[in-house]
Amino acid sequence: DTAVSQTPKYLVTQMGNDKSIKCEQNLGHDTMYWYKQDSKKFLKIMFSYNNKELIINETVPNRFSPKSPDKAHLNLHINSLELGDSAVYFCASSQLFTTEAFFGQGTRLTVV
Amino acid sequence: AQSVAQPEDQVNVAEGNPLTVKCTYSVSGNPYLFWYVQYPNRGLQFLLKYITGDNLVKGSYGFEAEFNKSQTSFHLKKPSALVSDSALYFCAPSAGNKLTFGGGTRVLVKP
Repeated sequence: DTAVSQTPKYLVTQMGNDKSIKCEQNLGHDTMYWYKQDSKKFLKIMFSYNNKELIINETVPNRFSPKSPDKAHLNLHINSLELGDSAVYFCASSQLFTTEAFFGQGTRLTVV
Repeated sequence: AQSVAQPEDQVNVAEGNPLTVKCTYSVSGNPYLFWYVQYPNRGLQFLLKYITGDNLVKGSYGFEAEFNKSQTSFHLKKPSALVSDSALYFCAPSAGNKLTFGGGTRVLVKP
């Protein structure tokens, strides 16, 4: 049973397209996150949600729109994809902001 | 604003030797401190955390970390490294409702 699952695992798309990445956690956690890992492995938080409410939006372009239909899901929609959006995107969840986070396996997005 | 620094991009160590991965942080208030490990093409896995109490924290796979408040450091250690410990290690303080990750340190353990 995968605790935090993301789909798809790989995503190759052309510039200008719109795409979505889905995330689900079966841990009963209240808090979910999206992180972006660039080619140099630097990991940066994008969004965090608590009980379906947006808590943190870290100066992410508004082309990125997270949606949390319920506590177990946090999807990421990206409009008008750009070359610089190519990265690995990780979803994570935790019970509280102060407890350990569980990460999905990542979605490698390549924009061509 | 909070920040974290991992001064070494890579640490090389021979199998069986002690391993140390350095981390210093800057946060306001009392931080919660975490270490995570990332194996190739995988998500991050939790190793250990410091919340309060004993400055020496023990975690998974034989790792431990020492919290030093005066030096604002939280170095990760393992007494005897294994080849299978080769991975990318991230230090992450938690404050202000978010985890802030350092740039990561790649550990290479040679047989």
